[in-house]
Amino acid sequence: DVKVTQSSRYLVKRTGEKVFLECVQDMDHENMFWYRQDPGLGLRLIYFSYDVKMKEKGDIPEGYSVSREKKERFSLILESASTNQTSMYLCASSLRYEQFFGPGTRLTVL
Amino acid sequence: QQQVKQSPQSLIVQKGGISIINCAYENTAFDYFPWYQQFPGKGPALLIAIRPDVSEKKEGRFTISFNKSAKQFSLHIMDSQPGDSATYFCAASKGGGATNKLIFGTGTLLAVQP
Repeated sequence: DVKVTQSSRYLVKRTGEKVFLECVQDMDHENMFWYRQDPGLGLRLIYFSYDVKMKEKGDIPEGYSVSREKKERFSLILESASTNQTSMYLCASSLRYEQFFGPGTRLTVL
Repeated sequence: QQQVKQSPQSLIVQKGGISIINCAYENTAFDYFPWYQQFPGKGPALLIAIRPDVSEKKEGRFTISFNKSAKQFSLHIMDSQPGDSATYFCAASKGGGATNKLIFGTGTLLAVQP
């Protein structure tokens, strides 16, 4: 079974802090994705990566950056957290069409 | 043109009833239409998916109906059970591999009452 793990289930940070969300997959998938999930808005793509050190902006990249130094690991970085970044963050990986999701990190920015 | 519109936002169905969730898309280049199921505290998981060369796909109690000319697809859950209570997302994508980006609908919260 594909396993996608995220470093934290719950995270509380203060405005202005730099925040790192880590995601690791164990199936040698080429593609990895970061989404945020908000009620009534569904899942919105922040960034994705289709290879090590390769990244592309999704639909809402403002205020975020990513890093993929190894194939299995994809990190989401909030350079200076703001209250409007309070959300559920989901990581996913895929080989072709099906995306496999992690359990999510619920981030609260105070 | 990249949107996927999903309705209803929430749905209450009695046990044994049929749950129907609808989605509409605009981009005719989409060639893969999955439905994801998400339970509280979990990430979404693929439930069933269809390609535009067929009009219907059935897996157990779950069926996708696809209408290419209307650019609509729907999920039918037959004999709905309380264990089906979850949030359901439709999605669409164009191509695989490096271009495998999914465009998700806004989600439907399904509650199946015993």
